[in-house]
Amino acid sequence: QVQLQESGPRLVKPSETLSLTCTVSGGSISNDYWSWIRQPPGKALEWIGYVYESGSANYKPSLQSRVTISVDRSKNQLSLELNSVTAADTAVYYCARGPNSSGYTWFDPWGQGTLVTVFS
Amino acid sequence: EIVMTQSPATLSVSPGERATLSCRASQSISSNLAWYQQKPGQAPRLLIYDASIRATGIPARFSGSGSGTDFTLTISSLQSEDFAVYYCQQYYNWWTFGQGTKVEIK
Repeated sequence: QVQLQESGPRLVKPSETLSLTCTVSGGSISNDYWSWIRQPPGKALEWIGYVYESGSANYKPSLQSRVTISVDRSKNQLSLELNSVTAADTAVYYCARGPNSSGYTWFDPWGQGTLVTVFS
Repeated sequence: EIVMTQSPATLSVSPGERATLSCRASQSISSNLAWYQQKPGQAPRLLIYDASIRATGIPARFSGSGSGTDFTLTISSLQSEDFAVYYCQQYYNWWTFGQGTKVEIK
């Protein structure tokens, strides 16, 4: 079964770039869409964006100017870059499979998530 | 943005009892709703999609209902492993989540 695991720095300084990687195991990253979702402490989950295995991506409009999601098929990985971070970007970051080619759908499975803290 | 509101925030239930969780959308989302379960330190797990279809491997004690703006997740007889936080998510227009309902042992 497909499993996802996030990795990357847990601490990021304000104004710098948050970079995370999600490694997909037990299956191929090909022919699927993959998303990043985050959850600030005490707040709701927030979809950030998705990437298709071709590399085409779509982002939440309010984050679009700061976000880049990419895919590396050779490594079966997707990546997230969020620049100019502030304390408001402190959150648990998850990667997940979804949506699918039919359009808006659910996410399944998810990674365990990684807490990234923005502080100086 | 479609706002999802879950109630109650916390639900105290005894093992073996029924739990009923609510989720309301700020506008009609047809049946484009999913439910997830999350335990501490674990990934969210898909329970229900399209408002009422159980995901693969999900026990029959979990059921979903509703359409339009009002949705319900019912756990017919709570087992010890069901105490967790539950989230609803709409996928009618982009993707947004509710704040979650924590189901705790009474």
